[in-house]
This record gives sequence, structure tokens and C-alpha cells, in this order.
Amino acid sequence: AQSVTQLDSHVSVSEGTPVLLRCNYSSSYSPSLFWYVQHPNKGLQLLLKYTSAATLVKGINGFEAEFKKSETSFHLTKPSAHMSDAAEYFCVVSGGSGGYNKLIFGAGTRLAVHP
Amino acid sequence: DAGVIQSPRHEVTEMGQEVTLRCKPISGHNSLFWYRQTMMRGLELLIYFNNNVPIDDSGMPEDRFSAKMPNASFSTLKIQPSEPRDSAVYFCASRQDSGANVLTFGAGSRLTVL
Repeated sequence: AQSVTQLDSHVSVSEGTPVLLRCNYSSSYSPSLFWYVQHPNKGLQLLLKYTSAATLVKGINGFEAEFKKSETSFHLTKPSAHMSDAAEYFCVVSGGSGGYNKLIFGAGTRLAVHP
Repeated sequence: DAGVIQSPRHEVTEMGQEVTLRCKPISGHNSLFWYRQTMMRGLELLIYFNNNVPIDDSGMPEDRFSAKMPNASFSTLKIQPSEPRDSAVYFCASRQDSGANVLTFGAGSRLTVL
């Protein structure tokens, strides 16, 4: 069965410092992986997606993620945090035995950015 | 395009009352999904439709929940009777199937059942 684990429920960084949000997945198949962001009282917005093309995926707002099959990881990074990055981030896996339509969401990582 | 539109944004009701949540997907998207988000359980898929037909409703918690999609531009999620444990944020999302399995989410409907 597919699953996704976000290793940190909360991450706190200072503005201008790097961001690292960690995600590990479990899948018997070649998965599709996504990162979504949810700002307070808003819906989820796609940041980036991996669908078996380049392993380093660039997304919106300066975020990127690297697919590492050997480590079953898909960590999200950004070189320099901005106050507007404060939000909740979800790592998502789809495909495999759950099917194309089964998106499995991680529990989320809440990112706080301090001045 | 205005995106996925959900209404109401907030609903407060009393236990036992009927609740109807509404969703207008993005024009041209042919799949529609209803999710529920709670602190305890995170995001759960309740049901999804493809070309207005319900495909998988295995996530619907119990018979009190029902969903319909009478046409390509409208869907409802109904809870009757509502219970306090139904309190959550309910999201609707739509997708164009020819794309890369990317869902576009609405802003959500926050339901509080007293």
C-alpha cells in the first residue's frame, strides 16, 4: 500500500534562511509525487509535481524538490524563506495500487517564518 | 476562470439539521473530488466523480452523507442528519483528466455542528 510520511509537524525558520520540509513515501510502484501549500483559511495550491521526468523539480515561489528513489524521499526546499511562505505544506503521493485517482496526503508540516 | 467555487464558506448548524455544501468546478474539468479536513484525520477523500458519475464513494463515512453531481458545473454534498463529529472543513477539487493529475481546490466550507 502507498503511504507518505512528513517527518516534521512544525518547522520554524528565520526570514532569509533556508527551508527544508521532509517527506518520505512508500510505494510498490513508480509514484507521482506532489507538494501542495495551504495558507490560512484557503484551499490547497499546487507547488510542484514529480511524474518520472527530471528528479529535481522546480515549483512556484522558489521552491524545489528532489525525488530520491534510493531514499524514498521527496524533500521540499527553498534557499531563502520569506514571511509569505508561512503556511501548511502537504506531501502527496498518487498512482500504484491505489490508482491514478487515489491521492494520499501526508499529515502536513506547518512552516513558521520569523522576522 | 474564477477557480473552484464553494458555498457556503462558513456554516454553523445544530445537531440533527440538514447541511448542504455546494461546489462549482472549473469549466472543462471532468473529475470532481470532495475531501474532508480535520485536525485528527487530516485530509480524507470522501467521493469523486468522473464525467458527473460517482466512481468511488468508499470514503463517505456513513449513510448520513450523500453527494450528487447533476451536471458538469455543479455538485452537492449533503449531510442529514448532521452530528457534532461532522464538524470539519470540506473541500471540493476538480481536475482535467488529460493533465498530470493536478487537482485545483476550492477555498473550502467550514462546517460547525453544535
